[in-house]
Amino acid sequence: EVQLLESGGGLVQPGGSLRLPCAGSRFTSGNYAVHWVRQAPGKGLEWVSAIGSSGGGTFYADSVKGRFTISRDTSKNTLYLQMNSLRADDTAVYYCATKMLLTSYVALDNWGQGILVTVSS
Amino acid sequence: DIQMTQSPSSVSASVGDRVTITCRASQYVGDRLVWYQQRPMKAPNLLIYGASSLQNGVPSRFSGSGSGTDFTLTISSLQPEDFATYYCQQAATFPPLTFGGGTKVEIK
Repeated sequence: EVQLLESGGGLVQPGGSLRLPCAGSRFTSGNYAVHWVRQAPGKGLEWVSAIGSSGGGTFYADSVKGRFTISRDTSKNTLYLQMNSLRADDTAVYYCATKMLLTSYVALDNWGQGILVTVSS
Repeated sequence: DIQMTQSPSSVSASVGDRVTITCRASQYVGDRLVWYQQRPMKAPNLLIYGASSLQNGVPSRFSGSGSGTDFTLTISSLQPEDFATYYCQQAATFPPLTFGGGTKVEIK
């Protein structure tokens, strides 16, 4: 079973930047499409971004397009979400999750524990 | 974007009860519908994919049905560990992935 662990969260001022790593054990990141999903305090799930398996593309929600960048370092089995120009409404727990290998469509079968990002002055 | 609407937003039930949650898509999604369970302060957990296929390790009291635009998640006999929030997600059109607003199953 793939295990994922997010880090890099914390308190940042509006307009600031953070980079969230998502590291995996038993996880060769190039084999998996990986998604970021966030959850604002007391709210539901919101898809943020995704990166395809090796050779695949990158995808973003309209709410983060142009501000967030997803990337991977296969040598470190780590995914990254670079978040720039942060706003108060980016405050959320951020989860990384892998797309199920069994299906052609996106079902997220392995999730990290989540990391809290708070954007506030 | 495809909008996903869940009902009810919350339900109060007792251990042993049968609970049914519905999810409606604003456009046709076929059978590309996924259900997750999220316990408090925990990450979501995949329950059902393909509208009705049970993920490995998920108890058989959980079942999913439906196709097209209307879907149902049923818990046949509610257990204490099932008190959680449940989300549907469409996978027919990407990007974006879209989730329903969630249904909280609470103890009566």
